[in-house]
Amino acid sequence: EPEVTQTPSHQVTQMGQEVILRCVPISNHLYFYWYRQILGQKVEFLVSFYNNEISEKSEIFDDQFSVERPDGSNFTLKIRSTKLEDSAMYFCAGSGGGGTDTQYFGPGTRLTVL
Amino acid sequence: QQQVKQSPQSLIVQKGGISIINCAYENTAFDYFPWYQQFPGKGPALLIAIRPDVSEKKEGRFTISFNKSAKQFSLHIMDSQPGDSATYFCAALGGGYNKLIFGAGTRLAVHP
Repeated sequence: EPEVTQTPSHQVTQMGQEVILRCVPISNHLYFYWYRQILGQKVEFLVSFYNNEISEKSEIFDDQFSVERPDGSNFTLKIRSTKLEDSAMYFCAGSGGGGTDTQYFGPGTRLTVL
Repeated sequence: QQQVKQSPQSLIVQKGGISIINCAYENTAFDYFPWYQQFPGKGPALLIAIRPDVSEKKEGRFTISFNKSAKQFSLHIMDSQPGDSATYFCAALGGGYNKLIFGAGTRLAVHP
């Protein structure tokens, strides 16, 4: 069964550094998402991406964040200058269609900002 | 209006018992209500989902009950097993948005 993969599984970085989180969605998916989950809290939407552009973003997704699908298979989330409060699990998800199509999640990247 | 409220926060059930988790929403534009199961260190995995045109959906030991007028839905796990021990999130989607709005999660522990 195809699955979403994410790398790295754990990223430790210093405050102010840039990080790039990588995701390989399921190959026939067209809609892509990033969510995050601060330890012990609920999963929160960050951004959705379709047809090589952002279709929706949350208030969390400020100018420090960007997303890219550079080569048709990878989907990346970049945080330009990390803050302590960016420490969280970051989940990539994808769906074949938009709207109410099922979103399939990857295993996540644990980001720790020191 | 975008919130989904979930209860209880944690739940302990004996093996073979019924686990019940409840969620409520406010936005009547939501039209898809999935439940996700999450094991420690893993991403959320879709368990079962329902649309508001039906009042109940059953898949194996898992049942969603949906009350459109009350804007509530619940997950019932029959014959709960220790392997069901996980965190369960209800979610909602719709209203022209693609984003899932998650509840706060319920940590379920099934004791043998």
